[in-house]
Amino acid sequence: GENVEQHPSTLSVQEGDSAVIKCTYSDSASNYFPWYKQELGKRPQLIIDIRSNVGEKKDQRIAVTLNKTAKHFSLHITETQPEDSAVYFCAARHSGNTPLVFGKGTRLSVIA
Amino acid sequence: GAGVSQSPSNKVTEKGKDVELRCDPISGHTALYWYRQSLGQGLEFLIYFQGNSAPDKSGLPSDRFSAERTGGSVSTLTIQRTQQEDSAVYLCASSPLGLATDEQFFGPGTRLTVL
Repeated sequence: GENVEQHPSTLSVQEGDSAVIKCTYSDSASNYFPWYKQELGKRPQLIIDIRSNVGEKKDQRIAVTLNKTAKHFSLHITETQPEDSAVYFCAARHSGNTPLVFGKGTRLSVIA
Repeated sequence: GAGVSQSPSNKVTEKGKDVELRCDPISGHTALYWYRQSLGQGLEFLIYFQGNSAPDKSGLPSDRFSAERTGGSVSTLTIQRTQQEDSAVYLCASSPLGLATDEQFFGPGTRLTVL
């Protein structure tokens, strides 16, 4: 089955700097890669996702890149703000409406 | 509209007791998922319901865990003879079937503490 590895487990950046979180997956048939943000004590919420037919997607300060050959994808947050502090999870799956396989999460701290 | 809801929000029980956790998905969503999140850990898949198909139970950690989905809507996760290692936040998610979005919408979770 699918296995998703996520790095780093913790990340601290200064406000205004960029943050990058990387994930690798094992199943070459996976074609959907979402990123979820979970603030302390709250539910995970989708922030951006990408499908295997594109290599990059942007939404304001966040972007996701996908390298299918290497089977890795990354989340990029630019101009970080304190409210970006949260745990970020990557995930992967290979067919519609099947369970997502999640990475173990990255705790991002943005220091003002 | 209303999002995914779960009840109770917190449950404290004694080792060996049975517990039932409830999930109300978003109306019209035909796919429903249960995940478990231990303290500081990622989301562990437990079980998945899609429409009238047989559920995917491949993530259930033991036969003490079971789940039902009645009428294609509300789901109940039951844990029998609870153990301390069952302590975690149990998250439910739902998603529509056959539409453009793949997004899974999560509920607020039930925090289970087994003493």
